[in-house]
Amino acid sequence: DQQVKQNSPSLSVQEGRISILNCDYTNSMFDYFLWYKKYPAEGPTFLISISSIKDKNEDGRFTVFLNKSAKHLSLHIVPSQPGDSAVYFCAAPPYSGAGSYQLTFGKGTKLSVIP
Amino acid sequence: EAGVTQSPTHLIKTRGQQATLRCSPISGHTSVYWYQQALGLGLQFLLWYDEGEERNRGNFPPRFSGRQFPNYSSELNVNALELEDSALYLCASSSGQGQFGQPQHFGDGTRLSIL
Repeated sequence: DQQVKQNSPSLSVQEGRISILNCDYTNSMFDYFLWYKKYPAEGPTFLISISSIKDKNEDGRFTVFLNKSAKHLSLHIVPSQPGDSAVYFCAAPPYSGAGSYQLTFGKGTKLSVIP
Repeated sequence: EAGVTQSPTHLIKTRGQQATLRCSPISGHTSVYWYQQALGLGLQFLLWYDEGEERNRGNFPPRFSGRQFPNYSSELNVNALELEDSALYLCASSSGQGQFGQPQHFGDGTRLSIL
């Protein structure tokens, strides 16, 4: 049972354009979401997060949108840069009352930004 | 500030052997999480330790075990190794018990190969 789904294994975008990475979840109890970026031979690096009390969170070139009714979130990168080429993971901890904090990850989307 | 460090970087074992992986969390972090990333799969939660206690474990057999030491470093032990255990093992740490707003920070992983 895959509770966090990233249905696009890969995405190619021209430098300077917008990259949109999508994530769907099935567990309606999830109330906090994180995006991680992973380069080859390195561990995932935290990028940005969003709480379910918001529908948007912005940090520089990165914006995450949350649509709770659709159980969908997306990460927008504007403008995309070659250094953004990496695998992006969407993740969620159990709901805030669960008493546990391990993350459930999607399978990742490999973003390639073409110069 | 030093990040999460894992050792060894690579580990080669044969079927039936035992493997020990080590993790040092970020200074001040008391929670340590272990994840497995097998080929083609996302990160799968293995174990969570906090304040020396095992708080939760994922859907893995009992031959996956570990411990957390008084200095909050952690070991992951895998007994009776099987070919399917070949994967990247990632350790993450967080302050407190991973409260929302306190993202987990990852090490670069140990690549375990079973021959």
